[in-house]
Amino acid sequence: RKEVEQDPGPFNVPEGATVAFNCTYSNSASQSFFWYRQDCRKEPKLLMSVYSSGNEDGRFTAQLNRASQYISLLIRDSKLSDSATYLCVVNSGYNKLIFGAGTRLAVHP
Amino acid sequence: DTGVSQDPRHKITKRGQNVTFRCDPISEHNRLYWYRQTLGQGPEFLTYFQNEAQLEKSRLLSDRFSAERPKGSFSTLEIQRTEQGDSAMYLCASSSSDPLGGLGAEAFFGQGTRLTVV
Repeated sequence: RKEVEQDPGPFNVPEGATVAFNCTYSNSASQSFFWYRQDCRKEPKLLMSVYSSGNEDGRFTAQLNRASQYISLLIRDSKLSDSATYLCVVNSGYNKLIFGAGTRLAVHP
Repeated sequence: DTGVSQDPRHKITKRGQNVTFRCDPISEHNRLYWYRQTLGQGPEFLTYFQNEAQLEKSRLLSDRFSAERPKGSFSTLEIQRTEQGDSAMYLCASSSSDPLGGLGAEAFFGQGTRLTVV
């Protein structure tokens, strides 16, 4: 079983839609969690950290469920510019960052 | 530019040759990571350093791969006797010491070195 698992998608949604991605992790000792965004042929960049109480940044909301070992990312009012691959990242201990395979999002007009 | 720098950006090599990649992290960052990424997959952890100490090396990494960070600044990743399966994007990332006491610091990535083994 992979340490971090994501639905690969692709998710094809119209502009303005709300879309949610889920991610599960296997190491219950994991301490911190992130969502990164990666555009085609570019390097990954941090989108947001995921705090235990959940956090929101504009149209983006991240949630953590430690009991079920899953993390979610909600994008509201999707824009064309949101089209990218979203990578779930888990700090599995001693700051070793493990990436999921990514979920591809395509927002169309 | 004070971001993470990787050199070369592209490398084409013949099977069996050795290759070496360099990564210059953000100057005040003490952690440095190497990842490998193939098409349609997320970055796969290879190894990481805290200062000059190599803390972990992936079990998926064969003995043909070695990484160094001799002075705790730049790092090199060497692949010996390259195989076609080594063709991938090799990404380097760096981060500072965790300022949040365990919540983790942001990792900044370089633009990667794309390796093609022919």
